[in-house]
Amino acid sequence: NAGVMQNPRHLVRRRGQEARLRCSPMKGHSHVYWYRQLPEEGLKFMVYLQKENIIDESGMPKERFSAEFPKEGPSILRIQQVVRGDSAAYFCASSIGQGHQPQHFGDGTRLSIL
Amino acid sequence: QKEVEQDPGPLSVPEGAIVSLNCTYSNSAFQYFMWYRQYSRKGPELLMYTYSSGNKEDGRFTAQVDKSSKYISLFIRDSQPSDSATYLCASYDMRFGAGTRLTVKP
Repeated sequence: NAGVMQNPRHLVRRRGQEARLRCSPMKGHSHVYWYRQLPEEGLKFMVYLQKENIIDESGMPKERFSAEFPKEGPSILRIQQVVRGDSAAYFCASSIGQGHQPQHFGDGTRLSIL
Repeated sequence: QKEVEQDPGPLSVPEGAIVSLNCTYSNSAFQYFMWYRQYSRKGPELLMYTYSSGNKEDGRFTAQVDKSSKYISLFIRDSQPSDSATYLCASYDMRFGAGTRLTVKP
């Protein structure tokens, strides 16, 4: 499967724990984007990364959220000290080129906070 | 005001109907738009994109942009039950509408 791979597909955490969501882009893609989707709402942009660089994090909450895309390995979206309001589907997308080219999405990680 | 607005529906049509899905945008600098289809429990799938005013056709799907009225449309001809999904419009910088949930009944 050469598509965008996200894992885990489902993640359950208790309030105060940390959540780590992983994303492997499509082969040949070096640009990664993270989005959050709440029920009955559209996708909300969070952050845009290239290898080892954060290009645009204008959609990221200022606290508890961080993202990285290391030279080797998948991109990670990290949420510290999770709260109930963090429950959502988190989607990763990748593109081959700069800026906001047409993007290819993974099937998301559904995060549930108990 | 959101930069891309979309009627969330839901929209229900009989099989074979022509479906019209619409979005409006507020930023006249937007030149490039995309339509995504999202099945339940899946990620969005790029359906079509268009760079400028006018129509773009791909099989049963036609995307239309009217820059004068800042209106984006997706038309689906001969709709099929397999078209039942949520359709999302997006601007070039990935600002999404809320999505319209479409059901095509056999």
